[in-house]
Amino acid sequence: DAKTTQPPSMDCAEGRAANLPCNHSTISGNEYVYWYRQIHSQGPQYIIHGLKNNETNEMASLIITEDRKSSTLILPHATLRDTAVYYCIVANAGNNRKLIWGLGTSLAVNP
Amino acid sequence: GAVVSQHPSWVICKSGTSVKIECRSLDFQATTMFWYRQFPKQSLMLMATSNEGSKATYEQGVEKDKFLINHASLTLSTLTVTSAHPEDSSFYICSARGGRQGAQYFGPGTRLLVL
Repeated sequence: DAKTTQPPSMDCAEGRAANLPCNHSTISGNEYVYWYRQIHSQGPQYIIHGLKNNETNEMASLIITEDRKSSTLILPHATLRDTAVYYCIVANAGNNRKLIWGLGTSLAVNP
Repeated sequence: GAVVSQHPSWVICKSGTSVKIECRSLDFQATTMFWYRQFPKQSLMLMATSNEGSKATYEQGVEKDKFLINHASLTLSTLTVTSAHPEDSSFYICSARGGRQGAQYFGPGTRLLVL
């Protein structure tokens, strides 16, 4: 599975959009981009995933560049409860494919 | 939808005892479940992949005789930490594969403290 690179930490003002970048320059054609987050002392929470088209759901939007070498997770109106570690993972969709977890981006939403 | 539960949420036990952790997919069937371990300020480390009705596949360095995994049904997998020692104290998290294109859904985790 391809590796990803994320900034270790980011800050965002409450109510503003949080844009979390992820580089995955070695992504393969059949690999998806998955985003999860982990709030302190809890299990990870699935946010969104995509292959090559931009995706949006009730939690966030995922923008994937045309060459698929990077992506951005957008939380449109960050709240204090969005403070968490955000993980960007690339993997194929096979039944037993593993998620390789890096250190993610620690997002602090400030009042 | 896509809710995964774990029980217990935390457990304290004496060294040498065994601890069983249950992972259930509440509103979907999961042919594949995963068990992770997370130490403080570290990322998740995959321990094993559990497939319903077959033996689990363990990651390198994980002792299969110490961490027993049973995936007897499409909604339940169990992890038993046998003869637990203080170094086994950790945050254990399960996930179930049930979403579109391989999305995994995670349980809330079980915090184990071995005295």
